[in-house]
Amino acid sequence: QSALTQPASVSGSPGQSITISCTGTSSDVGGYNYVSWYQQHPGKAPKLMIYDVSNRPSGVSNRFSGSKSGNTASLTISGLQAEDEADYYCSSFTSSTVVFGGGTKLTVL
Amino acid sequence: QLHLQESGPGLVKPSETLSLTCTVSGGSISRSDYYWGWIRQPPGKGLEWIGSIYYSGITYCNPSLNSRVTISVDTSKNQFSLKLSSVTAADTAVYYCARGAQLRVFDYWGQGTLVTVSS
Repeated sequence: QSALTQPASVSGSPGQSITISCTGTSSDVGGYNYVSWYQQHPGKAPKLMIYDVSNRPSGVSNRFSGSKSGNTASLTISGLQAEDEADYYCSSFTSSTVVFGGGTKLTVL
Repeated sequence: QLHLQESGPGLVKPSETLSLTCTVSGGSISRSDYYWGWIRQPPGKGLEWIGSIYYSGITYCNPSLNSRVTISVDTSKNQFSLKLSSVTAADTAVYYCARGAQLRVFDYWGQGTLVTVSS
């Protein structure tokens, strides 16, 4: 069970859009529509932002969206705001196990 | 509003067993379609799923930790617990408990508790 691959860092200016990728295999990301995304601010617990590839929980801004193509899932944040600066983790589900990505640090310039 | 709270020792000696409990309030741990999970995060590193349990006792664990992990549930107390045996410094982490919808979607999290493994 290997961790999913995410870029270590991404950055963007306020108002811009950014995309964070999450690459797995045909056995996890590519095989099921079970990708979730979590936002984590320093010293805080993770917060669910997207589930099952593209679904937003109640209360999450529609500036956050998710998609998937083949073995790579993506989280897009549009209209970047200072409060979006955080770590982002993807996760996938296969064979009754959960695997997380290594995390991506988003910096808002 | 569902609330989860981790509790347990913050310091464990090497080779001993780490024990944590998660108390759930604001909802029943026996609700169908929800698993109850443990996730950890070493300082400065990423998240790692440890395992999850259903109220009936069905358990799934990370294969890399499976031999050292025991997860149990006490529905009468609305709690579930983690035991991790033979700990080393590599087990030092913030341990979170969380609710897992269909096992895989962690929608409610505890605040996390730091457990340090040191003599």
